[in-house]
Amino acid sequence: LAKTTQPISMDSYEGQEVNITCSHNNIATNDYITWYQQFPSQGPRFIIQGYKTKVTNEVASLFIPADRKSSTLSLPRVSLSDTAVYYCLVGDGLAGANNLFFGTGTRLTVIP
Amino acid sequence: NAGVTQTPKFQVLKTGQSMTLQCAQDMNHNSMYWYRQDPGMGLRLIYYSASEGTTDKGEVPNGYNVSRLNKREFSLRLESAAPSQTSVYFCASRMDSLNEKLFFGSGTQLSVL
Repeated sequence: LAKTTQPISMDSYEGQEVNITCSHNNIATNDYITWYQQFPSQGPRFIIQGYKTKVTNEVASLFIPADRKSSTLSLPRVSLSDTAVYYCLVGDGLAGANNLFFGTGTRLTVIP
Repeated sequence: NAGVTQTPKFQVLKTGQSMTLQCAQDMNHNSMYWYRQDPGMGLRLIYYSASEGTTDKGEVPNGYNVSRLNKREFSLRLESAAPSQTSVYFCASRMDSLNEKLFFGSGTQLSVL
């Protein structure tokens, strides 16, 4: 199973760029990498997804090296509202990607 | 468009009581999931249903049962609640392709005394 490892917590000042790295050494060939954001008392919500190289949307960028054993979520110029827990998720290709596992996530605190 | 709806939002049970958590989605998704989240922890998969009529165990299925009533609804039942089942329960759904994103409900906060 493609489990993931992330830092438990990170702090950043407003306006800075934040990079959160996720390790997934056992990623399978068919697996995509997906990041979710969770605010207190809410369910997680999708941020971004990628397979290789770089993906960018209006919220974040995702960098994936050639070996795909890690990925980095980049949040440009964070604000206080970006304070949340961020989860890196890798689909389990062997089980048809329905047996999806979240790790403990990274708790990002944005400081004024 | 409501997305994923969970009921109830809050529930307090006594040890040994039973209850069913309800989940419904209106996005015509094939796959549905139940997760639990303990304080300060990540989400752990309890059961999932890849399609109507099928269910499979996740990481922590013990003490739970599920029913995929139809394509829209996926319920989670605690037959004999235990304090260890105090948690926040999230239902999620998605289309059945490999890399479709999950849509989550707002959660049910359950306390077992």
